[in-house]
Amino acid sequence: ETGVTQSPTHLIKTRGQQVTLRCSSQSGHNTVSWYQQALGQGPQFIFQYYREEENGRGNFPPRFSGLQFPNYSSELNVNALELDDSALYLCASSPGLAGAHEQFFGPGTRLTVL
Amino acid sequence: ELKVEQNPLFLSMQEGKNYTIYCNYSTTSDRLYWYRQDPGKSLESLFVLLSNGAVKQEGRLMASLDTKARLSTLHITAAVHDLSATYFCAGTRDDKIIFGKGTRLHILP
Repeated sequence: ETGVTQSPTHLIKTRGQQVTLRCSSQSGHNTVSWYQQALGQGPQFIFQYYREEENGRGNFPPRFSGLQFPNYSSELNVNALELDDSALYLCASSPGLAGAHEQFFGPGTRLTVL
Repeated sequence: ELKVEQNPLFLSMQEGKNYTIYCNYSTTSDRLYWYRQDPGKSLESLFVLLSNGAVKQEGRLMASLDTKARLSTLHITAAVHDLSATYFCAGTRDDKIIFGKGTRLHILP
């Protein structure tokens, strides 16, 4: 059974650019959630995708958007990058909605915005 | 809106000692999680607590849940250096998982 994977591992962008982060969910999981973790902070919920539909969103602006594919993998897109977007981005998959099922986290993507 | 607070935020302790990390949450949470995170790494699930009075133990770690007090605790028994990490609790509500700020645990030999 393959766990949750994310790509790329590290990424450096400049302010104003756009970035796409990818997440492959664990086999049998239909839900992916994305989190932003700034240095020294707890993960902040960005949004959750359940069966290809967004289902719940945290306090993030619209320039944070996502997508879930029929195989339940997911992308996180961030437009007009700002310096404060520098963080570890974690995705987590679960066999159902996050409120009722345990999530399994991927290794994360470290994004640095210069 | 669910809010989760942990204390202490930083804990330095000697090997062999016992200590407890506290996690308070502001409103009803469907379930309560404890995670461990090593520096630069992802989150490792430790415990899932589902109901009032739930107690789970793994090695030197024991977690408990009191839903009436809206409190969960993570107790460390006879700490060893390998337990040095950041520990997060997280509650769930409306299909969102809300994390505390974490407790950075440093165990001195």
